[in-house]
Amino acid sequence: DTAVSQTPKYLVTQMGNDKSIKCEQNLGHDTMYWYKQDSKKFLKIMFSYNNKELIINETVPNRFSPKSPDKAHLNLHINSLELGDSAVYFCASSQDRIRYTGELFFGEGSRLTVL
Amino acid sequence: QQQVKQSPQSLIVQKGGISIINCAYENTAFDYFPWYQQFPGKGPALLIAIRPDVSEKKEGRFTISFNKSAKQFSLHIMDSQPGDSATYFCAATETDSWGKLQFGAGTQVVVTP
Repeated sequence: DTAVSQTPKYLVTQMGNDKSIKCEQNLGHDTMYWYKQDSKKFLKIMFSYNNKELIINETVPNRFSPKSPDKAHLNLHINSLELGDSAVYFCASSQDRIRYTGELFFGEGSRLTVL
Repeated sequence: QQQVKQSPQSLIVQKGGISIINCAYENTAFDYFPWYQQFPGKGPALLIAIRPDVSEKKEGRFTISFNKSAKQFSLHIMDSQPGDSATYFCAATETDSWGKLQFGAGTQVVVTP
C-alpha cells in the first residue's frame, strides 16, 4: 500500500503546454511538499502545505501553482512549460513540523520532459 | 547557493569496504541533519539522522559523525554491500522550518562485488 503516490510517473510535453501532477498520501500526515530534482540530482524545495495552508513558497515562478484540496492531497499545476522545467518532481509528506518525527516521506517522483 | 556542501560526487568501494561521505554547512541555526538514500527511479528515503547534541549516531552498518565546531558531518557505511549502491544525500534544516531541507549535491556510491 503506497504511502505517497504521484501521478503520472512520466510526462513528455511540448514547450508552452500546461500540465498537472497529482499527489496523495495515506499516512495521515498534516504537511505536504513539492521538491524538484534537476538533471544533476540536486533536490530543492518548492512548496510546503500544512493542513491545506501554504507554508513555504520558495521563489518559484508564478507558472507553478500548487493546490491542496485537503490535507491528503497536493497537486502541482505548471503553465506555459519551458525547457528548464524538465526535472523530476517529488511529492513528500511529514507528520507535522519536522521537529517531531524528523522524516519526510517521498513519493517515487514524476519525471517531466519538456521538448 | 548551496547551503550544504557534499563530497565526493561519486565513489566506488569493494564489497566489505568502508564508504565515507562528507558534508559541511555554514548556517549555525541548522539543528537537524538527516541522510537520505535514493535508488534509481525511487524517491529519497530517510536513512539516519542526527541532532547536534551528540557527536555520533550508529544504526546497524551506518554511522553519522558530527563535528559541531567544524560544522561538518559525515556518513560512514561499514561492510559495504552491493545493495548499498545508491545515491546518498546529506541534508540540514532548522526544526522550525516546516520540512525545508537543504540538501547536499549527492554522492553516487557503487559497491562492487
